[in-house]
Amino acid sequence: EAGVAQSPRYKIIEKRQSVAFWCNPISGHATLYWYQQILGQGPKLLIQFQNNGVVDDSQLPKDRFSAERLKGVDSTLKIQPAKLEDSAVYLCASSLGGGLSGNTIYFGEGSWLTVV
Amino acid sequence: QQQVKQSPQSLIVQKGGISIINCAYENTAFDYFPWYQQFPGKGPALLIAIRPDVSEKKEGRFTISFNKSAKQFSLHIMDSQPGDSATYFCAASGDSGYALNFGKGTSLLVTP
Repeated sequence: EAGVAQSPRYKIIEKRQSVAFWCNPISGHATLYWYQQILGQGPKLLIQFQNNGVVDDSQLPKDRFSAERLKGVDSTLKIQPAKLEDSAVYLCASSLGGGLSGNTIYFGEGSWLTVV
Repeated sequence: QQQVKQSPQSLIVQKGGISIINCAYENTAFDYFPWYQQFPGKGPALLIAIRPDVSEKKEGRFTISFNKSAKQFSLHIMDSQPGDSATYFCAASGDSGYALNFGKGTSLLVTP
C-alpha cells in the first residue's frame, strides 16, 4: 500500500518569497492533516480536513498560510510571504477519518523548508 | 499551549537496558494515547497506542503503562537495541477534530 506522498522534499527560499507544498494521502483516507515540526519539537497541527471541508484551522497563521484540498484528495499548503520562523518540516498525514478518535494517522516523510 | 508534556528531553541507555519515557496530559476529553517513533529524515510512525480503559498494553519489547487518575502514561522499551535510537513522541487525541496533540519528543540513544 502506498504511503502519504509529499513534494518537494526540500526547499530553500528567501524571506518574503512564497512556497507551496503538495500532499497525496493514502487512497481512501478521508481525513488529511498538515503539521509543522520545528527542529527539536513535536509536530504541531496547522489544519485538518475531512474530505474537502476544514475541521480545524485554529493554529494556521492565516495572514500568510493557506491550504486547500480540492476534490477531497490531494492537498496544497502555501506560505506567502515566508518568514524566517517558518523554517521547519511540513508533515502531511492522513487517516481513514470518520470523526473517530483512534484512527491511525499515517505521516509522510515531510517537506523541509529553510527560509534565509 | 502544550497539551501533552513529555520527559526526559533526551535519554542514553546501554544495549539491553530499559528505556522509559513519561508523558502527562490535562485534557480529560483525551481518549487515545499513541506513541510515535521518528528516525532522522523520516516522518513519525505509529509504534503502539492505548485507550484509557486498560492500564497496560504490550507489543513485543514495547509497553505502554497508563494511569488515568494521574493523567500520565509512559513508554517502556525492554532490552533496548541500537536500532531503537530515534526520537519518540507521545500524543493524545479525543477532543474536537480528533487530531493528535504531540509532546515535544525524547531523543533516545542506545549505546552498544
